[in-house]
Amino acid sequence: IVLTQSPGTLSLSPGERTTLFCRASGPVDSTFLAWYQHRPGQAPRLLIYGASSRATGIPDRFSGSESGTDFSLTISRLEPEDFAVYYCQVYHSAIWTFGQGTKVEIK
Amino acid sequence: QVQLQESGPGLVKPSQTLSLTCIVSNASITSGHYFWHWIRQHPGKGLEWIGYIYYNGNLYYNPSLSGRVTLSIDTSKSHFSLTLSSVTAADTAIYYCARGRYYDDSGYIVRDFDYWGRGTMVTVSS
Repeated sequence: IVLTQSPGTLSLSPGERTTLFCRASGPVDSTFLAWYQHRPGQAPRLLIYGASSRATGIPDRFSGSESGTDFSLTISRLEPEDFAVYYCQVYHSAIWTFGQGTKVEIK
Repeated sequence: QVQLQESGPGLVKPSQTLSLTCIVSNASITSGHYFWHWIRQHPGKGLEWIGYIYYNGNLYYNPSLSGRVTLSIDTSKSHFSLTLSSVTAADTAIYYCARGRYYDDSGYIVRDFDYWGRGTMVTVSS
């Protein structure tokens, strides 16, 4: 399974709404689809698991959804700390696979 | 707060063996609810899963690296380790250790990573 994230980079302003996309190359179990936030120099942070469940302590401005092999992460209102790289990840056939990432940068 | 901390040399010569250790704090490495993983990120690239080890020694490696990777765990010291043999420049990367969940808080089966280390940069160069 290959995960393809789009777009590669988003240039946005604080307060804006944005949606990031992740497409799987074949059928996957959405139970095993997760999203992470990665700020430079920090440990990646689990945001969403099971395609749409927020991890503990994650603000409700983050939401995930799915449609077949397409998954999305929406940030309803960007805060300054949300500018980071976001990765999707899936577990399939005993392998954990990540997308290549979407960078959300300040415009 | 659960903490994972990678340690090891930042520079390894080609053909030699890379060895890293991950120390786990404020969590039980013997919990049956978690896997202990290594993941790496090549410069400017995405994340690549390397393999996991379970508290009882069960393990599984990414087939793309199988044959060069060895994971081990020392429950008495609350740490687990990665060795990667015959390294080349292509193994230059940031190496992360992470805790992989088997269940979420409601008992549903999941397969994600809830805590990560900050990563350690390893450069393969003579």
